Amino acid sequence: SYVLTQPPSVSVAPGKTARITCGGNNIGSKSVHWYQQKPGQAPVLVIYYDSDRPSGIPERFSGSNSGNTATLTISRVEAGDEADYYCQVWDSSSDHPRVFGGGTKLTVL
Amino acid sequence: EVQLLESGGGLVQPGGSLRLSCAASGFTFSSYAMSWVRQAPGKGLEWVSAISGSGGSTYYADSVKGRFTISRDNSKNTLYLQMNSLRAEDTAVYYCAKDSNGLYDSSGYSDYWGQGTLVTVSS
Repeated sequence: SYVLTQPPSVSVAPGKTARITCGGNNIGSKSVHWYQQKPGQAPVLVIYYDSDRPSGIPERFSGSNSGNTATLTISRVEAGDEADYYCQVWDSSSDHPRVFGGGTKLTVL
Repeated sequence: EVQLLESGGGLVQPGGSLRLSCAASGFTFSSYAMSWVRQAPGKGLEWVSAISGSGGSTYYADSVKGRFTISRDNSKNTLYLQMNSLRAEDTAVYYCAKDSNGLYDSSGYSDYWGQGTLVTVSS
């Protein structure tokens, strides 16, 4: 089955740029979606189709995808961005085709 | 405004059953596929099951196949998950999620999520 690998944690100072990676075999050939989950809350879609932002998501959130790595970039990080972030792709060869990464805890220092 | 409200969670003994419901509003329910996604305590997200907008196609993770049944009542704008033969490893918060498409396929993603309902399987 298809495996998505995310770093368990990323730390960044306020106002700086955070980059959260999502690794997978030839992930660049797939569409990647990103979800933000704050403690005790439901996930929220922040990026879809690699780099599109839903309405209401700040422009500070952006995404890219190439080769074996997709990246969620958060510019000018704020304290309110502290959350778990999950990447997700569709892989029809997997047990369940909608595959999630293990999640990355973003800590704002 | 899209709203998804799950209910039906609780404490159940191993081998028992529960039925989860998800009441939807703010969109044309029958036009969109729906999913159940769970999250064990302190763990990540795990997709469980999905159903197309018409209800004609259903999908399950291997871990729940044969034990869980997803269904929907488009006249009531409600999604269901019947869970039988529950195990300790089914303990999790269960979220219902709206898909971006009517068909559950590679072009879709979960664009709205409910707040979840906790299922605890323990004796």
